[in-house]
Amino acid sequence: SQQGEEDPQALSIQEGENATMNCSYKTSINNLQWYRQNSGRGLVHLILIRSNEREKHSGRLRVTLDTSKKSSSLLITASRAADTASYFCATSAGGWGKLQFGAGTQVVVTP
Amino acid sequence: DTAVSQTPKYLVTQMGNDKSIKCEQNLGHDTMYWYKQDSKKFLKIMFSYNNKELIINETVPNRFSPKSPDKAHLNLHINSLELGDSAVYFCASSQDRGSGQYFGPGTRLTVT
Repeated sequence: SQQGEEDPQALSIQEGENATMNCSYKTSINNLQWYRQNSGRGLVHLILIRSNEREKHSGRLRVTLDTSKKSSSLLITASRAADTASYFCATSAGGWGKLQFGAGTQVVVTP
Repeated sequence: DTAVSQTPKYLVTQMGNDKSIKCEQNLGHDTMYWYKQDSKKFLKIMFSYNNKELIINETVPNRFSPKSPDKAHLNLHINSLELGDSAVYFCASSQDRGSGQYFGPGTRLTVT
């Protein structure tokens, strides 16, 4: 069964704007990861946040994690056309590194 | 310099055939995975190997058999292909079980 649920399913913004997407999950986790997938390509790992962390930054990306609400958000600041992609959250629980992915948020950034 | 590579990139075959997809990683990672992505982009883990040992085996038909000849390779063999097997199959690897995963470019399997 799906662990992560992303919201919104799709997001359309203009270059320079910020994009925010959310992920909710159901069970306790070890960490939560965000991935990007460009059309027809493999997934690219963006950022990993552990269950004892609340916020993490990487370049123009900011991820928050609220374990009490079982939710995470990914913020992309000053978006570019190259950010057009699908973004997935994935949760890791248990000791085997098994990732459960959400359905993804499709982001379109127009010039 | 490709980190995780898969072959073939596209595979079109008829129902009932047997096919294999190969995966190799040159990152020195200990753990490798196979995922299936359906037409709605939903990704689901199928198998995982750690140092050639099977550690994750999801509810996958036994027509699917992974094989890891060494820790840099994880191949997927599929017997008696069915229409519902049509999907994109991704191989991935990670340094350890708690790390981010590196994905291959995917193999688009179409069963006719």
